Amino acid sequence: DSGVTQTPKHLITATGQRVTLRCSPRSGDLSVYWYQQSLDQGLQFLIQYYNGEERAKGNILERFSAQQFPDLHSELNLSSLELGDSALYFCASSVGGLAGYVQFFGPGTRLTVL
Amino acid sequence: AQTVTQSQPEMSVQEAETVTLSCTYDTSESDYYLFWYKQPPSRQMILVIRQEAYKQQNATENRFSVNFQKAAKSFSLKISDSQLGDAAMYFCAYIRTYGGSQGNLIFGKGTKLSVKP
Repeated sequence: DSGVTQTPKHLITATGQRVTLRCSPRSGDLSVYWYQQSLDQGLQFLIQYYNGEERAKGNILERFSAQQFPDLHSELNLSSLELGDSALYFCASSVGGLAGYVQFFGPGTRLTVL
Repeated sequence: AQTVTQSQPEMSVQEAETVTLSCTYDTSESDYYLFWYKQPPSRQMILVIRQEAYKQQNATENRFSVNFQKAAKSFSLKISDSQLGDAAMYFCAYIRTYGGSQGNLIFGKGTKLSVKP
């Protein structure tokens, strides 16, 4: 158990819908990262938050957004869903800075868009 | 842009034998870290081993060790005394560090390791 929790574990929805994925980082970790794992694209970085502020963006679609709340949990919002958004979405956390460069991953949320 | 390449999509090893998984990376940065993550069928991403680029000594974690060749930008993983539980997808990953901060992980496409009893 990495200490990072993600809910829900599985999500099945239809095209055009909107979903929210939730992540709680390890206690004390200030950085939260979101990654998408799909068969064709592999593991790709989406976005990073550090202590409530957006720190870096990767290959995140405009239909996707995220935020980190004062209690440090994070949510990834996916809207106008398409079939190609079906993937495993991981949240990872780290302390941040050179003292905490190791990222610990949650169990992931499996999103299926029908 | 930094890239990570794993040239072996699949590998197979006999139980109790040794196997080496290859990884090369491309970067112009001098400060970075390298990792191997394991993803078993449960899909959980598990950190196997890490290597700081400034350290010449190769990292070791029990049966897992790396061969880090900085000049060649090579970072291979050796698994000794392979066990059935080692069967998984293995990902090589790179992270840039700068001014006390760190970037995001950049992953290779993975190597699927099978262990034969």
